[in-house]
Amino acid sequence: GQNIDQPTEMTATEGAIVQINCTYQTSGFNGLFWYQQHAGEAPTFLSYNVLDGLEEKGRFSSFLSRSKGYSYLLLKELQMKDSASYLCAVSNTNAGKSTFGDGTTLTVKP
Amino acid sequence: NAGVMQNPRHLVRRRGQEARLRCSPMKGHSHVYWYRQLPEEGLKFMVYLQKENIIDESGMPKERFSAEFPKEGPSILRIQQVVRGDSAAYFCASSQGQGAYEQYFGPGTRLTVT
Repeated sequence: GQNIDQPTEMTATEGAIVQINCTYQTSGFNGLFWYQQHAGEAPTFLSYNVLDGLEEKGRFSSFLSRSKGYSYLLLKELQMKDSASYLCAVSNTNAGKSTFGDGTTLTVKP
Repeated sequence: NAGVMQNPRHLVRRRGQEARLRCSPMKGHSHVYWYRQLPEEGLKFMVYLQKENIIDESGMPKERFSAEFPKEGPSILRIQQVVRGDSAAYFCASSQGQGAYEQYFGPGTRLTVT
């Protein structure tokens, strides 16, 4: 089976940087996704990592270490609209689908 | 290019009635996933389907719930004899392929059982 852990909640200040961690245990690793979900809305895709290292996309970056079973999502220059839940999802070659963590609720304060 | 479509967006059912939730995947996508989300909780996987086949239904309750994805038409999630505990948001997602493909989510159906 798979096990995915993320912090339940985080709080940060507008303009600051925040790092949301995700650890996972899986066999047949086939990539890790990050999604953003605003309250009452559907999740939307943010990033995908399958190789070790950092992927940068504007204010958002995602890092992966396969040997450590670890990823993080880095959000820079935080804006109020970044307040949302951030979901880590791991793709497994055996399952053929992604398994989602319970999400981290980020609150950005002025 | 239309995204994933779900209908209805809101559905109210009395206990004991049936609920039918529909999902049309993005054009060109043949992989469909259903998730349930309770308020303040994460997404819980229910079922993964390809056209005319159920690939993984490990997250589906053993009774009252069923899903299909026919050759023609939308995917259907069916809940028979609904109970109050079935009240939740049900999201459908589709992807281009199996495994390492991002999923595109529909807007969800909010089911309320009274």
